[in-house]
Amino acid sequence: DIVMTQSPDSLAVSLGERATINCKSSQSVLYSSNNKNYLAWYQQRPGQPPKLLIYWASTRESGVPDRFSGSGSGTDFTLTISSLQAEDVAVYYCQQYYSSPFTFGQGTRLEIK
Amino acid sequence: EVQLVESGGGLVQPGGSLRLSCAASGFTFSNYAMHWVRQAPGKGLEYVSTISTNGDSTYYANSVKGRFTISRDNSENTLYLQMGSLRAEDMAVYYCARAGGTSSYTANDYWGQGALVTVSA
Repeated sequence: DIVMTQSPDSLAVSLGERATINCKSSQSVLYSSNNKNYLAWYQQRPGQPPKLLIYWASTRESGVPDRFSGSGSGTDFTLTISSLQAEDVAVYYCQQYYSSPFTFGQGTRLEIK
Repeated sequence: EVQLVESGGGLVQPGGSLRLSCAASGFTFSNYAMHWVRQAPGKGLEYVSTISTNGDSTYYANSVKGRFTISRDNSENTLYLQMGSLRAEDMAVYYCARAGGTSSYTANDYWGQGALVTVSA
């Protein structure tokens, strides 16, 4: 199984500042035949189901604010929130869908400083 | 509007069985692979199972393999998860989620609100 490891486990950032969350996979999730990274980011607000933010490592889902961006390739990925808003308080998860089981990272809790 | 509504959760004794359902609407159900993902109280997301569009291909987490069975009824637009030999560690909110397309190898673009399964004597 591919193990997904996120860092940090929790993060406190001031409003308007940048937040950066990292995700590392135990093996590459880059499929060479189509040059796509099979990596997604989800946001889960308290009491809510997860919401898809980013797929193919860097493609923003429709309706997601452009302050959210994803980057990285192979085994190392980053989710960046360029200017933190109050509504961004949530737990963020990465997931690989390169091979089954489609494993998730342990989550990163983002709070306001 | 895409909607996924889980049902069938509840209290079950260890060793017991339960079947979850996920009613889909607002899209052509038979065109999408589907997933089950669970979340134990206060914990992170855990992948459970996936089924292809026609049900011919299924995938399971090692933790549920041999005990859980995923299935679908495309005529009824419904996804199922039959759970057996339930353990305390299976207690969680179970979410159904839609794959982003025909392929199982896509991100989960829509999620239901979840169904709580409690395993306790």
